[in-house]
Amino acid sequence: DIQMSQSPSSLSASVGDRVTITCRASQSIDRYLNWYHQKPGKAPKLLIYAASTLQSGVSTRFSGSGSGTEFTLTISSLQPEDFATYYCQQSYSPPRTFGQGTKLEIK
Amino acid sequence: QVQLVQSGAEVKKPGASVKVSCKASGFTFTDYYINWVRQAPGQGLEWMGWINPKTGGTNFAQKFQGWVTMTRDTSISTAYMELSRLTSDHTGVYYCARIEISGTTDAFDIWGQGTMVSVS
Repeated sequence: DIQMSQSPSSLSASVGDRVTITCRASQSIDRYLNWYHQKPGKAPKLLIYAASTLQSGVSTRFSGSGSGTEFTLTISSLQPEDFATYYCQQSYSPPRTFGQGTKLEIK
Repeated sequence: QVQLVQSGAEVKKPGASVKVSCKASGFTFTDYYINWVRQAPGQGLEWMGWINPKTGGTNFAQKFQGWVTMTRDTSISTAYMELSRLTSDHTGVYYCARIEISGTTDAFDIWGQGTMVSVS
């Protein structure tokens, strides 16, 4: 199975900050990498697919980059609704594994 | 409106089985794999497997083989996930989520609201 690891595991930031979350795969996954966020008690929501394509309806303050084994999610200017847990997920091969999550909290 | 609506919370005794449903609306059910994802309390997301509603074919993560069954009823656009021989380790929220079978997104773009299964 392909292992996905995220860093940091948690992050404190303020409204208006620019933040970056990193996701690493245990082997090359080309650009088969997706990003989600999840608020407490809610289902995850797709933000970015194929490493850098913004899902329809998602704010342009979210952006993704990377290929191979290292990927990043950047939020350009944090808004109050962005405080959530973020997950990466590979769609290169089954099983479709997730990272352990990055909890983004208000400073 | 494109959505997946899951059945309500369940409380079960150890050793029992539970069947969770996921009803699709607003899109062609047979054009999308229906996946199931587990989230243990306070933990991350874990992909369990998917069903192809068109063929009934399934694909499971190895750790879920043997105690998870996935079925569908295309006449009512509903997928089912049945868990058997429940233990307390199976407590958690179970989500269904779709992926387009022949699309380019290859990501879970629509999710159900989740079903809490408690085993005690």
